[in-house]
Amino acid sequence: GAVVSQHPSRVICKSGTSVKIECRSLDFQATTMFWYRQFPKKSLMLMATSNEGSKATYEQGVEKDKFLINHASLTLSTLTVTSAHPEDSSFYICSATGTIYNEQFFGPGTRLTVL
Amino acid sequence: AQSVSQHNHHVILSEAASLELGCNYSYGGTVNLFWYVQYPGQHLQLLLKYFSGDPLVKGIKGFEAEFIKSKFSFNLRKPSVQWSDTAEYFCAVRQAGTALIFGKGTTLSVSS
Repeated sequence: GAVVSQHPSRVICKSGTSVKIECRSLDFQATTMFWYRQFPKKSLMLMATSNEGSKATYEQGVEKDKFLINHASLTLSTLTVTSAHPEDSSFYICSATGTIYNEQFFGPGTRLTVL
Repeated sequence: AQSVSQHNHHVILSEAASLELGCNYSYGGTVNLFWYVQYPGQHLQLLLKYFSGDPLVKGIKGFEAEFIKSKFSFNLRKPSVQWSDTAEYFCAVRQAGTALIFGKGTTLSVSS
């Protein structure tokens, strides 16, 4: 299957700072990327869907000004958590798909801890 | 609203016992169905998927799932579990052009 990477795998930041998480499709063109959030021992909640070159579509209840998503190229999407607070601490997982695929491929996730 | 339901929150089994985890979805129309596994401290891995054709799908590590369209179900099965199957299991559903939606997950604990 196709490979999706995320960087960093772990990040610790102070409250009030911003953190950027990168998601890359390594061997395919990701026309659509998805960002999920997973709380401990909980399921994955879809945060937003982004198509290359377009604005992201956010799920209900997700603050678009807090979770900035950019999908500027066919291999890279970024999620920026702005003015992070301890309640933003979570596991963030990106997923990608391309026109030749009918399934999503997942990155390994990024553990964000906000102190 | 469209949803994915996993009925078993926590399943505890002894090694060699048989496993069946339930999954139901409420989408109409054509769907793609998936089961993922997440081992402790690790990321998601795809166990198996169904797009079309034979409703009985075989995946990795001896898992299989059966799609029953009339019941909107996609239950996961394994004839004989091992201690190493201890993990979180997620059912997920996707319609064309939309994102995967996950069930709440089932924690499987297997004692040796």
